[in-house]
Amino acid sequence: ETGVTQSPTHLIKTRGQQVTLRCSSQSGHNTVSWYQQALGQGPQFIFQYYREEENGRGNFPPRFSGLQFPNYSSELNVNALELDDSALYLCASSGWTDSYEQYFGPGTRLTVT
Amino acid sequence: GQQVMQIPQYQHVQEGEDFTTYCNSSTTLSNIQWYKQRPGGHPVFLIQLVKSGEVKKQKRLTFQFGEAKKNSSLHITATQTTDVGTYFCAGSPPSGTYKYIFGTGTRLKVLA
Repeated sequence: ETGVTQSPTHLIKTRGQQVTLRCSSQSGHNTVSWYQQALGQGPQFIFQYYREEENGRGNFPPRFSGLQFPNYSSELNVNALELDDSALYLCASSGWTDSYEQYFGPGTRLTVT
Repeated sequence: GQQVMQIPQYQHVQEGEDFTTYCNSSTTLSNIQWYKQRPGGHPVFLIQLVKSGEVKKQKRLTFQFGEAKKNSSLHITATQTTDVGTYFCAGSPPSGTYKYIFGTGTRLKVLA
């Protein structure tokens, strides 16, 4: 058990709607990364937050946005949902050290209909 | 952009046989990590390699980082049914942002 929690576990939304996913980092970790994992594929990096600032972004459109709070928990917001947004969304927390181990949460399974 | 490929995509082995997955990046990496994801689960960190030519062992698992820091391998000796899952490598470019690009994964099935 990593100590990283995500909510909700599952979510069904309609195309065009907006969604907010939440992540609580492992205690002591100040960095969180969000990934999108489509079925049968590897996780795709969305963005990373370090001390409440975005610290890198993957090839995702601006309708994917995020926040990190002072307690290092984080949110992923997706606007104008598309069918292709259906995936497992994973957050991973880590400490900013030489050994950059990422501890993943259980994920949120998003289905867009 | 940077791409990370893994081969093979799938591997079925008899319990007790060895298994190897290979990871190749289109660009030089700062470091590489390996993860294991069980069916229905989330990726679990196995190890990080940083130095050119580095070799690390964890019990039956041996990890290597290539001299050019563009490829890596994971070798499992005498597989067990508990080794079932998908193994991903994840590479970070030398840009300092720790933006990890995951490989395509190798799905391992172990037949008892």
